[in-house]
Amino acid sequence: DAGITQSPRHKVTETGTPVTLRCHQTENHRYMYWYRQDPGHGLRLIHYSYGVKDTDKGEVSDGYSVSRSKTEDFLLTLESATSSQTSVYFCATVADTYEQYFGPGTRLTVT
Amino acid sequence: DAKTTQPPSMDCAEGRAANLPCNHSTISGNEYVYWYRQIHSQGPQYIIHGLKNNETNEMASLIITEDRKSSTLILPHATLRDTAVYYCIVRVAGSGGSNYKLTFGKGTLLTVNP
Repeated sequence: DAGITQSPRHKVTETGTPVTLRCHQTENHRYMYWYRQDPGHGLRLIHYSYGVKDTDKGEVSDGYSVSRSKTEDFLLTLESATSSQTSVYFCATVADTYEQYFGPGTRLTVT
Repeated sequence: DAKTTQPPSMDCAEGRAANLPCNHSTISGNEYVYWYRQIHSQGPQYIIHGLKNNETNEMASLIITEDRKSSTLILPHATLRDTAVYYCIVRVAGSGGSNYKLTFGKGTLLTVNP
């Protein structure tokens, strides 16, 4: 599982509040990803990182920002949470042999 | 990345082999076939991948047809814990963050019955 942890695992927050989700990996993998998963949509890429301080947008990046100040940590921030951001969020890293490993997920509910 | 087509659901008896098909008729020469699965409420789990040769690991076997337009994932002795959604993904190899992006379709829900 590439030593990926996500925190928090569950969070309930109110509309308009900022939220930060953390992904931590212990394998020193260069690439890291944030996905969201919603019923009927499968997994969709939000942002990804290809190194410290190097990030890029995915297909559903609006309303989200990311930061990567250390190889092992990739943070996803919802600046002002909305109900449409209620979802399960998965972090992933890529091994040297190209397979992706996913974290256990964070279930976020925005009320 | 090439598009894939999978049946929405399949059943398998416990202890029997589960054979999950995937069509990827538009695959190009530098695209790999990857298989992942997702057990309810958990993160997707990597299973196996291949380019053109058949591959086997401790979890499964991957059979890719000679023309590479389809493949089959084989779980040799399915257990109840193999009940999951299985995703077949085709993606280009190479370096760069965007090349590692996985596009997940709807996959196949495999139900292993006792």
